[in-house]
Amino acid sequence: KNQVEQSPQSLIILEGKNCTLQCNYTVSPFSNLRWYKQDTGRGPVSLTIMTFSENTKSNGRYTATLDADTKQSSLHITASQLSDSASYICVVSGLLSNDYKLSFGAGTTVTVRA
Amino acid sequence: NAGVMQNPRHLVRRRGQEARLRCSPMKGHSHVYWYRQLPEEGLKFMVYLQKENIIDESGMPKERFSAEFPKEGPSILRIQQVVRGDSAAYFCASSQGTGGRVHYGYTFGSGTRLTVV
Repeated sequence: KNQVEQSPQSLIILEGKNCTLQCNYTVSPFSNLRWYKQDTGRGPVSLTIMTFSENTKSNGRYTATLDADTKQSSLHITASQLSDSASYICVVSGLLSNDYKLSFGAGTTVTVRA
Repeated sequence: NAGVMQNPRHLVRRRGQEARLRCSPMKGHSHVYWYRQLPEEGLKFMVYLQKENIIDESGMPKERFSAEFPKEGPSILRIQQVVRGDSAAYFCASSQGTGGRVHYGYTFGSGTRLTVV
């Protein structure tokens, strides 16, 4: 069964500080990995998408890394802002023809405090 | 180009009533996916539809739940005889093709929050 595990489950950081979220997956064969940001009461919004050949991708203050060999990804938030408070979800897609379901992690809840 | 539109945003139903959730995919997207999210939990796949066809409904309860995506109009997720356990956020996503592929996109709506009282 394809699984996506995220850690930590939640974290609290002070405004202006950096933080890193982790994602481990077992999806195989692997197609791509996405990080989504989900604000409270809203739908998930895509931050980054990485394929097998990509090691890192940035979107503003968000930088995602991917190690397809160890099946690990991280999302780094630089100089956090109050608006970064949200749930961050790691989503992995496989290469098989029926891999449309996507495999979702449970998310990491980030709280940024002033 | 509007994104994925879901309505209503909030829906309150009494036990035993029917709930109808609507999803209009992004323009040019013909693939629709429904997910359910319980409080403090991740998104769980329910059903995948293309126009007039249900491709995979393996994540949807066999009783009381149904989904359709007609040739014209939005996709509908229908829950009959709702129970308190149906209270959750229901999200719809759409894509141009089979959603796993990067270039097909995969965009979520803002969800419908169903509360059963």
